[in-house]
Amino acid sequence: NAGVTQTPKFRVLKTGQSMTLLCAQDMNHEYMYWYRQDPGMGLRLIHYSVGEGTTAKGEVPDGYNVSRLKKQNFLLGLESAAPSQTSVYFCASSYGRGFRQPQHFGDGTRLSIL
Amino acid sequence: EDKVVQSPLSLVVHEGDTVTLNCSYEVTNFRSLLWYKQEKKAPTFLFMLTSSGIEKKSGRLSSILDKKELFSILNITATQTGDSAIYLCAVDSLLAGGTSYGKLTFGQGTILTVHP
Repeated sequence: NAGVTQTPKFRVLKTGQSMTLLCAQDMNHEYMYWYRQDPGMGLRLIHYSVGEGTTAKGEVPDGYNVSRLKKQNFLLGLESAAPSQTSVYFCASSYGRGFRQPQHFGDGTRLSIL
Repeated sequence: EDKVVQSPLSLVVHEGDTVTLNCSYEVTNFRSLLWYKQEKKAPTFLFMLTSSGIEKKSGRLSSILDKKELFSILNITATQTGDSAIYLCAVDSLLAGGTSYGKLTFGQGTILTVHP
């Protein structure tokens, strides 16, 4: 079972470059999320989506954009990368409004901005 | 602002020891508390707790929630080297604005190292 798949797994960028991280899930989940994980700070929510065509800001949205054109995919974009965006990025998904369903995570993308 | 605090931040034990990890929280519109284990990659789900005083168990791991005192503990008995990981506590709460959508707020994590 694939579950939640993130690509790429690693990437090194120069300051000012742009890139897109892709998250794909095959569990027919309604909700999808992007987090970043930094040492000593746990996971912080960047953006989330509660359905195809909808997105919303999380805790730390600045410098990122997202799109959910298809239910199974959630894209995270960095328009102009900054060193402060060096982090490990995790995508997660879960079923809809029933809150008794946990989020399932991808393996992460390690992003370094030089 | 919602807040989840875990303690200790790191813990080093030997195989066979029992450990207790703590998680306290301050959130509005609490729905559930979740524990995840993170080894090298993705956090994997351990427990979801919604009611006070009811222990969840899975093998050597167990967890309980106290909604009055706003905390949870995760116990691991007879630890093994394979238990070495980051343990994440997260609280699921309703988003502001009267919606029925939830969000997770994570603690910093506890890094557990089990030596042979």
